[in-house]
Amino acid sequence: DAGVTQSPTHLIKTRGQQVTLRCSPKSGHDTVSWYQQALGQGPQFIFQYYEEEERQRGNFPDRFSGHQFPNYSSELNVNALLLGDSALYLCASSLRQGGNQPQHFGDGTRLSIL
Amino acid sequence: AQSVTQLDSQVPVFEEAPVELRCNYSSSVSVYLFWYVQYPNQGLQLLLKYLSGSTLVKGINGFEAEFNKSQTSFHLRKPSVHISDTAEYFCAVSDGVSNYQLIWGAGTKLIIKP
Repeated sequence: DAGVTQSPTHLIKTRGQQVTLRCSPKSGHDTVSWYQQALGQGPQFIFQYYEEEERQRGNFPDRFSGHQFPNYSSELNVNALLLGDSALYLCASSLRQGGNQPQHFGDGTRLSIL
Repeated sequence: AQSVTQLDSQVPVFEEAPVELRCNYSSSVSVYLFWYVQYPNQGLQLLLKYLSGSTLVKGINGFEAEFNKSQTSFHLRKPSVHISDTAEYFCAVSDGVSNYQLIWGAGTKLIIKP
């Protein structure tokens, strides 16, 4: 049973560039959430996708956008990268929306901005 | 707004000793509570969850947690730790079924001394 997979595992970009991160949810899951985890901190919720729509968003600027495809996989796009965007980006999947649904995490994409 | 406080950034304990990792959250009418573990260079793995019912929740790897509504706490315990328990532990809270985002604590590093 495949878990949550994320690609790439590591990425180096420079300020001002754009980046796309990808996530395939655990088999049978239909909901994908994205989190940013800065070094030494807990994850911060970016947004959640369900039925190909953004259902809820955390306190992140419009430079952060996403998409969910019919097969439930998802992309996170970040435009105009800033040094402060350097972090581990985690994708989590769950079955259905809802704050009571346990989320299963991938190993993350480590994004470094130079 | 909901917030989560993990009172200890690091907890050193000797192998085979008991451990308690503390988590407090701000008051809410109803909450769902989770503990996740993060091993180095990996994503987050669900240890246990409280959704309703019995206030003592048992999870994987011998961990358990107790939900205390009056003290708004959800402390994680293990009676005897092993070197393999070395990791960072995160407490997370959701406000309810219609609020999809998890609010996370800053994490507690569990350091096992031989």
